[in-house]
Amino acid sequence: LAKTTQPISMDSYEGQEVNITCSHNNIATNDYITWYQQFPSQGPRFIIQGYKTKVTNEVASLFIPADRKSSTLSLPRVSLSDTAVYYCLVGDLSGSARQLTFGSGTQLTVLP
Amino acid sequence: DTGVSQNPRHKITKRGQNVTFRCDPISEHNRLYWYRQTLGQGPEFLTYFQNEAQLEKSRLLSDRFSAERPKGSFSTLEIQRTEQGDSAMYLCASSPGGMAYNEQFFGPGTRLTVL
Repeated sequence: LAKTTQPISMDSYEGQEVNITCSHNNIATNDYITWYQQFPSQGPRFIIQGYKTKVTNEVASLFIPADRKSSTLSLPRVSLSDTAVYYCLVGDLSGSARQLTFGSGTQLTVLP
Repeated sequence: DTGVSQNPRHKITKRGQNVTFRCDPISEHNRLYWYRQTLGQGPEFLTYFQNEAQLEKSRLLSDRFSAERPKGSFSTLEIQRTEQGDSAMYLCASSPGGMAYNEQFFGPGTRLTVL
């Protein structure tokens, strides 16, 4: 089963780019990598998903190296409202070991 | 509101009692997931359904936990003989089918407190 590791917390200032890395050394061949954002007392909200290389959408980019043992979520020009916990999720539901593993999360604090 | 809804939002019960939570997914989503989240931790995957079929239940925490999705629409999660260690947030999510795994839409959760 894929185990994920993330930094516990990060601080940044408004307008800066933030990169949060997740390690998943024993990721399986069929596993996808997904990042979620969670505010207090709410369920997680999808940010971005990828399998390999780079994926970009309107809010973030996801970088996945060739060995797929880590992934980096990049948030361009953060604002105060981006203060939240960010989770990486590794998993796959198609195989016999159906499992989705969230990391323990990174508390991002954006300062003015 | 067409998002995922969960009821109740909060539940306080005494140890040994049974509790049941309900999840109503987004209507066109055929996959439904249950997670447990304790303070300071990421969500812990419990089980998931494809329509009415429960395709993974080995992650349920013990035989006191059970889930159903009888008509492929709403789902219930039951905990029998609750223990204080069951106190947590129980999250439900849904997603469209098709890919092996894709974007999940989470509900607001049910917070369980076992006294």
